[in-house]
Amino acid sequence: GAVVSQHPSRVICKSGTSVKIECRSLDFQATTMFWYRQFPKQSLMLMATSNEGSKATYEQGVEKDKFLINHASLTLSTLTVTSAHPEDSSFYICSAGPLSAVTDTQYFGPGTRLTVL
Amino acid sequence: RKEVEQDPGPFNVPEGATVAFNCTYSNSASQSFFWYRQDCRKEPKLLMSVYSSGNEDGRFTAQLNRASQYISLLIRDSKLSDSATYLCVVIGNSGYALNFGKGTSLLVTP
Repeated sequence: GAVVSQHPSRVICKSGTSVKIECRSLDFQATTMFWYRQFPKQSLMLMATSNEGSKATYEQGVEKDKFLINHASLTLSTLTVTSAHPEDSSFYICSAGPLSAVTDTQYFGPGTRLTVL
Repeated sequence: RKEVEQDPGPFNVPEGATVAFNCTYSNSASQSFFWYRQDCRKEPKLLMSVYSSGNEDGRFTAQLNRASQYISLLIRDSKLSDSATYLCVVIGNSGYALNFGKGTSLLVTP
């Protein structure tokens, strides 16, 4: 099946630093990628939709200035958590689907576990 | 009302048992439906799509009832390795962006 990678897999950082997470589709192109966050024992929550070549669309309650998304190519989207705080500690997952089938199966990255001290 | 609702469980079943999960969704215009499996601290992995006609993949059977707006997953002959959280996922009428249930936890015991 299609492969989506994320880097890094785990980050531990001090409060106030910024953290960049990369999401790559390895064997297909995706104009749209999605970023999710999962707190312990909670469901995945959609944070934003990353659109190649245009601005990301953020879900209600997600601060666009805090979670910067850049989708510079058809295979790469980045999420930057700016000035991270302990409450931002979470499991961040991206997903992407093949270019030709936006409503079909999404493939998930392995996730990035962020711990902010 | 949440868009996608699941019984969180946990479901504790012995090996070899048959177990069924249900999931309800609120948006009648929803387009696509999936079951994902998530192991502890790992990303969700697609288990199977859910079609109106119902579909089966080995020990797993998924069914969709549009009139009642629910999706089901049946697991036959449970294995220890089936222990995981099963997420019901629905794509709404926006055409993209998945809506996740909170997941149903399954523990298969020897």
